[in-house]
Amino acid sequence: SQQGEEDPQALSIQEGENATMNCSYKTSINNLQWYRQNSGRGLVHLILIRSNEREKHSGRLRVTLDTSKKSSSLLITASRAADTASYFCAPSANDMRFGAGTRLTVKP
Amino acid sequence: DAGITQSPRHKVTETGTPVTLRCHQTENHRYMYWYRQDPGHGLRLIHYSYGVKDTDKGEVSDGYSVSRSKTEDFLLTLESATSSQTSVYFCAISQGASYEQYFGPGTRLTVT
Repeated sequence: SQQGEEDPQALSIQEGENATMNCSYKTSINNLQWYRQNSGRGLVHLILIRSNEREKHSGRLRVTLDTSKKSSSLLITASRAADTASYFCAPSANDMRFGAGTRLTVKP
Repeated sequence: DAGITQSPRHKVTETGTPVTLRCHQTENHRYMYWYRQDPGHGLRLIHYSYGVKDTDKGEVSDGYSVSRSKTEDFLLTLESATSSQTSVYFCAISQGASYEQYFGPGTRLTVT
């Protein structure tokens, strides 16, 4: 099965700064997805990047994918206190597995 | 939350009792999933379904069974609950195996 590993485990920044989270995986994928989870809630899908794409944007989110290094990064620009959450990557082939996530804290 | 509900939302039960959690969707998605989430482990897949009466095991399926008799409902049963099954359980749906998943609000289960 395919599983992503997020790094760092925890990240604390000031409001307005950028936040970068990384994801590594081990085998070939069809796509890679990023999700957010606010405390006590279900995961929410943020963005999907296909294996033939290198970069994708959605609002303040920028995702990159390097299939040769089997890695992806999620950049949140101009962070806000409301971005405080856990972020998970999910590499997807025939199935999808979630890692332990990156816990992001944005201080006002 | 994309037309997914879970019931109950909270449950406290005793060791050895059977427990059934229900996931209901109104999106007509083919795939449905059950995950558990524990501190330090992220989300772990218990079982999933790829159609009515079609189910398969995930990475932590021991002690759990599932059933899907209708497209909209996916049941998770703990035949004899143990304290190690205390967790938050999430249901998710998707149109296909590699498609984005939509999650329910979760069920907090405590086994005493």
